[in-house]
Amino acid sequence: QKEVEQDPGPLSVPEGAIVSLNCTYSNSAFQYFMWYRQYSRKGPELLMYTYSSGNKEDGRFTAQVDKSSKYISLFIRDSQPSDSATYLCAMKTSGNTGKLIFGQGTTLQVKP
Amino acid sequence: GAVVSQHPSRVICKSGTSVKIECRSLDFQATTMFWYRQFPKKSLMLMATSNEGSKATYEQGVEKDKFLINHASLTLSTLTVTSAHPEDSSFYICSAREAADTQYFGPGTRLTVL
Repeated sequence: QKEVEQDPGPLSVPEGAIVSLNCTYSNSAFQYFMWYRQYSRKGPELLMYTYSSGNKEDGRFTAQVDKSSKYISLFIRDSQPSDSATYLCAMKTSGNTGKLIFGQGTTLQVKP
Repeated sequence: GAVVSQHPSRVICKSGTSVKIECRSLDFQATTMFWYRQFPKKSLMLMATSNEGSKATYEQGVEKDKFLINHASLTLSTLTVTSAHPEDSSFYICSAREAADTQYFGPGTRLTVL
């Protein structure tokens, strides 16, 4: 079993839809949770960063962490064609030496 | 957010030659940088962790003599692919850690070995 599971998709939605992206994980020691967006042939861009459980909102993006279920989500409201990209979840344990563990990435296509 | 640059963005070389890729943190100091490799439609694979002023820590299965990493300053780390072969062709991405737990990624370098 992989430490972090993420459905690779692809996920196709119409413009304006609410998008829900998810990851599950097995290591209960993970404390820091991140979502990255990666456009084709580009490096990942940090979108959201959350510590421990709870919600965090930034514009059209909302990140949720449920540590009891080992489940994290990223919601995108009013999706735009420019949101079309691969979204990677990543997480790590506490401390400076923890390595980021990535999900496989979900490819999202928002159709005009 | 913090900015990380990579140079070159793309490189094509002949088999047997060595290629150096630079990773720079432009507006912050990074005591730790990371080097990843990414295959098409795959996630990032951590190759090594680079700490300023000390030897890099390589992940299992990564040949340290083939992928030489130098982190000479708080803003620069380099990855040298020595005696490159076609199977080394890939997308190489670096990241730099700004605070204790936030990593920012460079734009990546696409290496093609003929």
